[in-house]
Amino acid sequence: ETGVTQSPTHLIKTRGQQVTLRCSSQSGHNTVSWYQQALGQGPQFIFQYYREEENGRGNFPPRFSGLQFPNYSSELNVNALELDDSALYLCASSPWPGTEAFFGQGTRLTVV
Amino acid sequence: AQRVTQPEKLLSVFKGAPVELKCNYSYSGSPELFWYVQYSRQRLQLLLRHISRESIKGFTADLNKGETSFHLKKPFAQEEDSAMYYCALSGENYGQNFVFGPGTRLSVLP
Repeated sequence: ETGVTQSPTHLIKTRGQQVTLRCSSQSGHNTVSWYQQALGQGPQFIFQYYREEENGRGNFPPRFSGLQFPNYSSELNVNALELDDSALYLCASSPWPGTEAFFGQGTRLTVV
Repeated sequence: AQRVTQPEKLLSVFKGAPVELKCNYSYSGSPELFWYVQYSRQRLQLLLRHISRESIKGFTADLNKGETSFHLKKPFAQEEDSAMYYCALSGENYGQNFVFGPGTRLSVLP
């Protein structure tokens, strides 16, 4: 059984650019959630996908968007990057919504 | 609004001493509470959840609905317990997703 994997591990982008982060969910999990973790803070919920449909969204602007694919892997897209988007982005997969979340190692995004 | 607070950013105890990591929450419905832990250079992982009533690595946590608390306790701290601990809440009013607290760094001194 493979765990949750995220790519890339580190990324540097310029303000105004767009970025795509990727996540492979754990085998057998149909739910993927994305979190933003700023330095010194706990993870903040961005959104969740369940069986390829968005299943909840946190307090993030529309320039944060996502996709879930038939194999339950997922992408997080962020348009018009701002300096405050610099953070660790965590992906977590679960067997079902609300059950134990298994986290990836995260993608460290730096916006300059 | 759903909210999780952890009043201590850093908690230092000596090996063998009892430890209590505090967590308070606000939620209008019936929440599920969790403790997640992140050891150095490792990913965030589940430590325990209140509905399972388990003791993991000697840690326990009791949900007190009257005080809206879910404090994490261990009677005798070990050096390997040093890590970042996050309290998290999940509920039907929040799309079954997690609201995390800001975290407490536990440092167990030799």
